[in-house]
Amino acid sequence: GNSVTQMEGPVTLSEEAFLTINCTYTATGYPSLFWYVQYPGEGLQLLLKATKADDKGSNKGFEATYRKETTSFHLEKGSVQVSDSAVYFCALKDGTSYGKLTFGQGTILTVHP
Amino acid sequence: DADVTQTPRNRITKTGKRIMLECSQTKGHDRMYWYRQDPGLGLRLIYYSFDVKDINKGEISDGYSVSRQAQAKFSLSLESAIPNQTALYFCATSDPGLAYNEQFFGPGTRLTVL
Repeated sequence: GNSVTQMEGPVTLSEEAFLTINCTYTATGYPSLFWYVQYPGEGLQLLLKATKADDKGSNKGFEATYRKETTSFHLEKGSVQVSDSAVYFCALKDGTSYGKLTFGQGTILTVHP
Repeated sequence: DADVTQTPRNRITKTGKRIMLECSQTKGHDRMYWYRQDPGLGLRLIYYSFDVKDINKGEISDGYSVSRQAQAKFSLSLESAIPNQTALYFCATSDPGLAYNEQFFGPGTRLTVL
């Protein structure tokens, strides 16, 4: 079956530091890949997505590249802000008709001023 | 106003009680989902529904039931709550016509079973 593995957290950074959150996946076929973000007290929001190999998703300064050869979709941001403190989930959607999402375990990011 | 709402936002109950969590959406989406979130486990799918007449079990449906009362409403019930059902529960919606079948999440219901 499908699975998503994220780097263990929590991650604590100072403002303006570089962020990487690793994500690797196992899936059959050609899944679509997503990063969702969950701010405190809120539901998940789609942050960025990529649907095929070598696609780069980007939003709000975050980027992730779909690497089929390494089955990875690592999230990066060059300069984090306090407002980026949240839980980040990597997820994949397989090609079945109902598009079930498989989530990683989530990574807690805390950014200090 | 939020597009996907969940009630209640917080609930504390006792073992053996019947609990219903409700989800409503104004997005006009046909597909609705219930997930639970546990620390270190991410989100896991409990049930999903493609339309009012189509309800399917997810990966962890044991101990839960659902009702799709209308396109806009999808309720999750715990017939006899047990402590290991303590978790954060999320409802989500999607539409196959949207790019990537993106899912939109409600704010969550925090359930504690004592």
